[in-house]
Amino acid sequence: AQTVTQSQPEMSVQEAETVTLSCTYDTSESDYYLFWYKQPPSRQMILVIRQEAYKQQNATENRFSVNFQKAAKSFSLKISDSQLGDAAMYFCALRRNDMRFGAGTRLTVKP
Amino acid sequence: IAGITQAPTSQILAAGRRMTLRCTQDMRHNAMYWYRQDLGLGLRLIHYSNTAGTTGKGEVPDGYSVSRANTDDFPLTLASAVPSQTSVYFCASSEDQGGYYGYTFGSGTRLTVV
Repeated sequence: AQTVTQSQPEMSVQEAETVTLSCTYDTSESDYYLFWYKQPPSRQMILVIRQEAYKQQNATENRFSVNFQKAAKSFSLKISDSQLGDAAMYFCALRRNDMRFGAGTRLTVKP
Repeated sequence: IAGITQAPTSQILAAGRRMTLRCTQDMRHNAMYWYRQDLGLGLRLIHYSNTAGTTGKGEVPDGYSVSRANTDDFPLTLASAVPSQTSVYFCASSEDQGGYYGYTFGSGTRLTVV
């Protein structure tokens, strides 16, 4: 069974500051993929960043980066230079065949 | 436009009624999925289809059925709706089954069962 846990239901950050969203997961597979999705109030699901489990190097996409710790089964998302448009629900997800999601973290950005 | 179209956008449904949520994609993706999103629970997989003509059960399949007659369409049917099926429903598709590609999501259907 695959499970994903996001222990922070809500987080807030000051504009231009850095915030880290936590995610842990459990799987018996050695080959899998991890994702962070953003869901703004529009309800649309937007892919933020992807990490292949076989790669040790942490993925980076502009202001978004991850800290992938395979042994600890941890996959946190760091958002640098936070912007008002970053305010959204963020979902961590694990994919081997189908995708399993965490409960989500609601991020508020304060001006 | 390339992507997934879901219909309706929202619906209020009387308990006991039958309802089909529509999902159509134009990307020729083989794999398609239905999820429900509930506050505090994230997105949970209802049913999936790896290719036309095949379907499978996800985490929460009870009360729902799907069909996959062709590559583009993947409707979700609630045979007799109950209030616990009040949720936002997302259809998604993927270019692969193996995992590298993420999902393309539809914009969701908000269903309220009263």
